[in-house]
Amino acid sequence: NAGVTQTPKFRILKIGQSMTLQCTQDMNHNYMYWYRQDPGMGLKLIYYSVGAGITDKGEVPNGYNVSRSTTEDFPLRLELAAPSQTSVYFCASSYEDRGLGGYTFGSGTRLTVV
Amino acid sequence: AQSVTQLDSQVPVFEEAPVELRCNYSSSVSVYLFWYVQYPNQGLQLLLKYLSGSTLVKGINGFEAEFNKSQTSFHLRKPSVHISDTAEYFCAVSDAGGGSYIPTFGRGTSLIVHP
Repeated sequence: NAGVTQTPKFRILKIGQSMTLQCTQDMNHNYMYWYRQDPGMGLKLIYYSVGAGITDKGEVPNGYNVSRSTTEDFPLRLELAAPSQTSVYFCASSYEDRGLGGYTFGSGTRLTVV
Repeated sequence: AQSVTQLDSQVPVFEEAPVELRCNYSSSVSVYLFWYVQYPNQGLQLLLKYLSGSTLVKGINGFEAEFNKSQTSFHLRKPSVHISDTAEYFCAVSDAGGGSYIPTFGRGTSLIVHP
């Protein structure tokens, strides 16, 4: 099993550009999450989804959008990139709502906005 | 909302020495507790978890953690570390009751093992 796959691994964007970070899981997990990780700040939840067609905001949703048309895919969209969005982005999934079996994380996308 | 405090941002230690990484959380309600490890340029992996039962939890790679309800702590320990344990360690807590089920993560502790 591939687990959680994120693409791209690295990206440099200019201010004002847009892009989509892709996330796919093959474990049939209903619950999926997007986090950003900034140095010394831990992980902040951006958006999450409890199933296909259902998404909700996390702690830091401004400047991002998500969609969940299938169980497998949970893309994160940046519409107007800003330097404050320079970060490492992690997608994660879990089988049940409390992540009691643990979250499965992707390997991350390192984004730089210049 | 829960908050998680990892008291040390960086812990340097020599190989084969014992180590303790500290984690405290805010709430006195029932909680689930987790430790994750992040190796360089990788995503997070679950190291161990406390859901209920015995307060001493054993995880992968020889790590263990002890849940202390009165002190609202969940410290991670290993009796003898290896160079390969160099990584970032994150403590996380989620509400076992009716609150938000999504874990809150601490800021992380960087464990640096020197030869």
